[in-house]
Amino acid sequence: GIQVEQSPPDLILQEGANSTLRCNFSDSVNNLQWFHQNPWGQLINLFYIPSGTKQNGRLSATTVATERYSLLYISSSQTTDSGVYFCAVSSGGYQKVTFGTGTKLQVIP
Amino acid sequence: DVKVTQSSRYLVKRTGEKVFLECVQDMDHENMFWYRQDPGLGLRLIYFSYDVKMKEKGDIPEGYSVSREKKERFSLILESASTNQTSMYLCASSHGTNTEAFFGQGTRLTVV
Repeated sequence: GIQVEQSPPDLILQEGANSTLRCNFSDSVNNLQWFHQNPWGQLINLFYIPSGTKQNGRLSATTVATERYSLLYISSSQTTDSGVYFCAVSSGGYQKVTFGTGTKLQVIP
Repeated sequence: DVKVTQSSRYLVKRTGEKVFLECVQDMDHENMFWYRQDPGLGLRLIYFSYDVKMKEKGDIPEGYSVSREKKERFSLILESASTNQTSMYLCASSHGTNTEAFFGQGTRLTVV
């Protein structure tokens, strides 16, 4: 099956700093999503981005499908950005979603 | 907004009990999924369904079964709960193919 790797696995930022999270995938995908898992465990949808670039406030994402990677940018980080960020992809006909390994982000004041 | 609701946030069950985890979505989505999440292992797909009464095994179906009698509801069944099924369970739904998936709030199950 498709492999999804995220880097870095852990990241500690000072509040106000910028960061880039990376997602590499091993095969062609039909779609790609970025999620933020909050401290209570819920997965919050950030971006649905099978290709191209999107922005939402301080967050933006870029997917280069031909090169099999996606990037999530967080600017001016806040303590509420802390949590785990997942990249998830699907391929094939039934929308089976495969998750990456996650990046655990801690933003300190 | 899409809403995916799981019946419980926290559950504690005894070894050997039959356990039902319920998930309901309100957006008429065809696809529904059950995942479990464990430290160091990430999210792993247990089962998914692409239509009423249809199901497909995911990556770790052993020890689980599912039921989808109505489009909006997808149930995960642990026939005889064991301690190694202590985990966070997450339900998701999506519409058709190549579309965004939405998750419920998760159920933390502890089997003692």
